[in-house]
Amino acid sequence: GAVVSQHPSRVICKSGTSVKIECRSLDFQATTMFWYRQFPKQSLMLMATSNEGSKATYEQGVEKDKFLINHASLTLSTLTVTSAHPEDSSFYICSARRGQGRNTGELFFGEGSRLTVL
Amino acid sequence: DAKTTQPNSMESNEEEPVHLPCNHSTISGTDYIHWYRQLPSQGPEYVIHGLTSNVNNRMASLAIAEDRKSSTLILHRATLRDAAVYYCIHDNQGGKLIFGQGTELSVKP
Repeated sequence: GAVVSQHPSRVICKSGTSVKIECRSLDFQATTMFWYRQFPKQSLMLMATSNEGSKATYEQGVEKDKFLINHASLTLSTLTVTSAHPEDSSFYICSARRGQGRNTGELFFGEGSRLTVL
Repeated sequence: DAKTTQPNSMESNEEEPVHLPCNHSTISGTDYIHWYRQLPSQGPEYVIHGLTSNVNNRMASLAIAEDRKSSTLILHRATLRDAAVYYCIHDNQGGKLIFGQGTELSVKP
């Protein structure tokens, strides 16, 4: 079964509103989670690294004030798309690794959240 | 960047083996090689990973070249459910995985 869960799986919102996407690790604690975005027919693009108890680390070109990340507990990270516009419509995917160390074990991905901004 | 090179697409027949190649010439000595696959409208799924030795699990085998500059993911008997985009990644970014374009595998009945 799923070990990383995202909610909602689909969301439609009006332009200018904010949308929050949750990412939970179900049976393990994750001090670090990763947020990706994927446009149709393209690969996953890493947006940011979510760090429990501290600020997220954003990849170059990703606006931190646009994509707010909060990692308030060891099992939950949230991504808030603020003042969404149609160009923010995308498939957002989170992931977390069970265990310590960058090479130990697989990275578990959520089911993804499809955002459509009208 | 941790860059890998894969063919854009490959075709296979059902029940036949599939060999998916990947070049990772910039890999460093401590980077693992990871393979993930993604079905349409789903998050990626772990397939296999390795460092130097060949690896086997219930899903696939991973053959790693001696110089580690390339690897091959082997699906021993392709099924229709194996149709997906397969991503080869080597991790030199402190734990975060940077995805390339991947190989879209289609499986014909």
